[in-house]
Parts: sequence; structure tokens; C-alpha cells
Amino acid sequence: KAGVTQTPRYLIKTRGQQVTLSCSPISGHRSVSWYQQTPGQGLQFLFEYFSETQRNKGNFPGRFSGRQFSNSRSEMNVSTLELGDSALYLCASKTDQETQYFGPGTRLLVL
Amino acid sequence: GESVGLHLPTLSVQEGDNSIINCAYSNSASDYFIWYKQESGKGPQFIIDIRSNMDKRQGQRVTVLLNKTVKHLSLQIAATQPGDSAVYFCAERADTGRRALTFGSGTRLQVQP
Repeated sequence: KAGVTQTPRYLIKTRGQQVTLSCSPISGHRSVSWYQQTPGQGLQFLFEYFSETQRNKGNFPGRFSGRQFSNSRSEMNVSTLELGDSALYLCASKTDQETQYFGPGTRLLVL
Repeated sequence: GESVGLHLPTLSVQEGDNSIINCAYSNSASDYFIWYKQESGKGPQFIIDIRSNMDKRQGQRVTVLLNKTVKHLSLQIAATQPGDSAVYFCAERADTGRRALTFGSGTRLQVQP
């Protein structure tokens, strides 16, 4: 099976812009979670989607949003980008079991 | 995606030696624990997991030990190889509430040839 894929791999944006990141889970996985990874804060949970519904949400502002499509692919959106949003954004998928498998991430740089 | 953090604790071992990476967790309600390995430029890679009803689980060259009394988790890597050099994260999941994974800050393992 192919692993979790994320696009794009690298992205440069300026403050105030918005960005959409995409994640394709492992085939058969219905749960997709998103994480932000920064040197200062480590890996932090953003949200989880399961069967097109947000099932869990972390402590991030409303500028961070996501959605999941019927084929389990997921997108996350960040509006009004700030410098502090520069990070590696990771997507992970799983079945109903606990083990999450991560994608390679999207490196976002906000200038 | 380089590994996380400029001030990660670092464990330096010689090739062939055994490595032990430790993790303390704080939530006594956590019922599931998992170890990930993250190499530079890559996403975290699953290594091994353990449920709270176990205190030891073994994989290929890796063993996870769970001590619920002191809320401590460890990852043992046997015969450490240069390819094991990476940042290692433990993660826990509470059995209530959001049930999302909470990650530790990570430990950098450096294997000296």
C-alpha cells in the first residue's frame, strides 16, 4: 500500500495570505489527523477527521480549519497567515485502531 | 523537515551498543502509548506501541517498557546502528476526552560509528 502523501512538500507565503494543504491517507484509512511541528512547541495536535466529520480538535485559533472528503482525503486551511505559522504540517491516517501513520509533511514558511 | 528543536536532549551511543530512550508522561488516564522515529526531512515513523494493560512489548530490535506506577515509558534499541540516528518521540493517548495523541518533546539519538 502507498503511504500517506501530502502536497505540496514546500510552500512559501507572506503574512496575511491564506494556504491550503492536502493529505491523501493510506487506502482504507478513514481517520485523518493534522499536526503542527515547530522547534519551540514540538508536535501539536490540530484536528482529526473521520468520515467527513471533525471528531477532535486541538487548541488552535479558528484561522486553522480543515475538511475531509468522501474519499477520506483531507485538506487543512490556514487563513491570515502569521509569521508564527511557519512550521512543518504533518498529516497522519489510521483505521479505527490506534496506530497513526504519518506523511512526510508540508514545510510552510511565512515571510 | 529537519528534526524538532535546538535543545533536544541527546543520547550518544556507539554502534553496536544498546540504547535506552526514556519518556515520562503525566496523564494517569493514558491508556495507549506509542514510539515514533523521525529522521531529518521525513515525517514520524511508527516504531512500536503498547497498551496500558501491558508492561512490556517487543518488536524487531526494539522493546518498549511501561511503568504505570511512576508514569514512565522507555524504548530500548538493541545493537544500535547508524541508521537508528534520529529524533525519537513518545506519545500518549488518554482514555477519555479528545483521545488525541499527545507527544513528548523528543530525544535525539546519535550513533557513533
